[in-house]
Amino acid sequence: AQKITQTQPGMFVQEKEAVTLDCTYDTSDQSYGLFWYKQPSSGEMIFLIYQGSYDEQNATEGRYSLNFQKARKSANLVISASQLGDSAMYFCAMREGNYGQNFVFGPGTRLSVLP
Amino acid sequence: AAGVIQSPRHLIKEKRETATLKCYPIPRHDTVYWYQQGPGQDPQFLISFYEKMQSDKGSIPDRFSAQQFSDYHSELNMSSLELGDSALYFCASSSDRGREKLFFGSGTQLSVL
Repeated sequence: AQKITQTQPGMFVQEKEAVTLDCTYDTSDQSYGLFWYKQPSSGEMIFLIYQGSYDEQNATEGRYSLNFQKARKSANLVISASQLGDSAMYFCAMREGNYGQNFVFGPGTRLSVLP
Repeated sequence: AAGVIQSPRHLIKEKRETATLKCYPIPRHDTVYWYQQGPGQDPQFLISFYEKMQSDKGSIPDRFSAQQFSDYHSELNMSSLELGDSALYFCASSSDRGREKLFFGSGTQLSVL
C-alpha cells in the first residue's frame, strides 16, 4: 500500500501568491518524521522542511511552512509568495520509526509558477 | 558546507556492461542511502548502510551490489546492465542513524543503450 499520497500531480500558481501542496501519509508508528523535498529540472533533490511526529508546532523555514494535522495524517506544504524559481517537482517523504531505514517518497507534485 | 558528492555525474553504458557509482557522504554522517529514480517516477529505495554495515534493503536487483568502505564512501556496483536500469541514481546521507533529515547528492544519470 502507498505510504505517502500526493493527490495533485500538477499545480499552477500565479507569481507572488501562496500555494498549498497536499500530502497524506499512512503509518502505525508513533515516532516518525515528515519531509518535503524540491527537485528542479536540473535533477538535484533539495531539502525544504521537516516535521517530527512529536513536534507540537508546525515547522516553518522561510517561505515554507508545513501544515501538520496529525489526526488526519496530513502534512501539507505551504509556499508563500511564490517565485518563478519555485517551479519544480515537490516530494513529500516519511521516515518511519526511530531510525531512518524506512524512508519513502510520495509520487510528487509538479508545481508551475506563472508570471 | 560540505555536501554529498556523487560521481560520475553522467554515465553512458551499453547493455550487459557493468557500472560503478560512487558516493561520498557528508563528513560525520553515519548513514548512507541509495535511491533509483526512473523518468517521471519518485525515488525508490535500493539499499542503506549504517556505520559501514548494510542496514536495510529495498527493491535492489540481484545484479546490483553495494558496499561502504572504511572512509565511509559507498559504491553501487551494477552488472549485466539492462535498458530499464536507465535512471537517476541518488545517494543520500544522514546523521544520528537516519533520525535527521537526508541530504542528497546531485545524482548520477545512468543511460543504458
